[in-house]
Amino acid sequence: AQKITQTQPGMFVQEKEAVTLDCTYDTSDPSYGLFWYKQPSSGEMIFLIYQGSYDQQNATEGRYSLNFQKARKSANLVISASQLGDSAMYFCAMVDNAGNMLTFGGGTRLMVKP
Amino acid sequence: EAGVVQSPRYKIIEKKQPVAFWCNPISGHNTLYWYLQNLGQGPELLIRYENEEAVDDSQLPKDRFSAERLKGVDSTLKIQPAELGDSAVYLCASSPSRGHTGELFFGEGSRLTVL
Repeated sequence: AQKITQTQPGMFVQEKEAVTLDCTYDTSDPSYGLFWYKQPSSGEMIFLIYQGSYDQQNATEGRYSLNFQKARKSANLVISASQLGDSAMYFCAMVDNAGNMLTFGGGTRLMVKP
Repeated sequence: EAGVVQSPRYKIIEKKQPVAFWCNPISGHNTLYWYLQNLGQGPELLIRYENEEAVDDSQLPKDRFSAERLKGVDSTLKIQPAELGDSAVYLCASSPSRGHTGELFFGEGSRLTVL
């Protein structure tokens, strides 16, 4: 069975600073995918970044990067130069080898201070 | 391109009443998902469709929940009768990819309050 753990219920960051949101996972599948989604107060889940378990390089998308440490089973999201609009819930998620299950973590609420 | 559309956005009902949620996925997306999101928690999969076929409904409480996607496009999720514990946000998502190998596109959700 898959499991995603996000240990930070809430985080504060100063505007323009970088922040790291933690995510650890557990799976017995040799191949899997890891996602990060953002959920603002409007409720819509917005895809941010994807990392495949066999990808050699850490994924990056603009100000978002994924610090993938396979041996530690961690997939932390790094947001550089935080903006007020980054204030939202952030969810780490995993898809299994067959692409048949997307498991979400409990989420981290990020609050960006002006 | 229009995103995933869900309605209603908000619904308040008394327990034991029925309720239905509607989802229109992105055009051309064959895979459709319904997720349940309790307050302060991550979404949990209820059911996944590939076209009109429900390929994963293992987490759907079938005694009171039902879903359909008759023409492989729009989908409806129904609860009958609703219980207090059903208060949550019901998210619909779609994907052009089979299974979950690709990005999911989510709607804004339908927030249900059961009194």
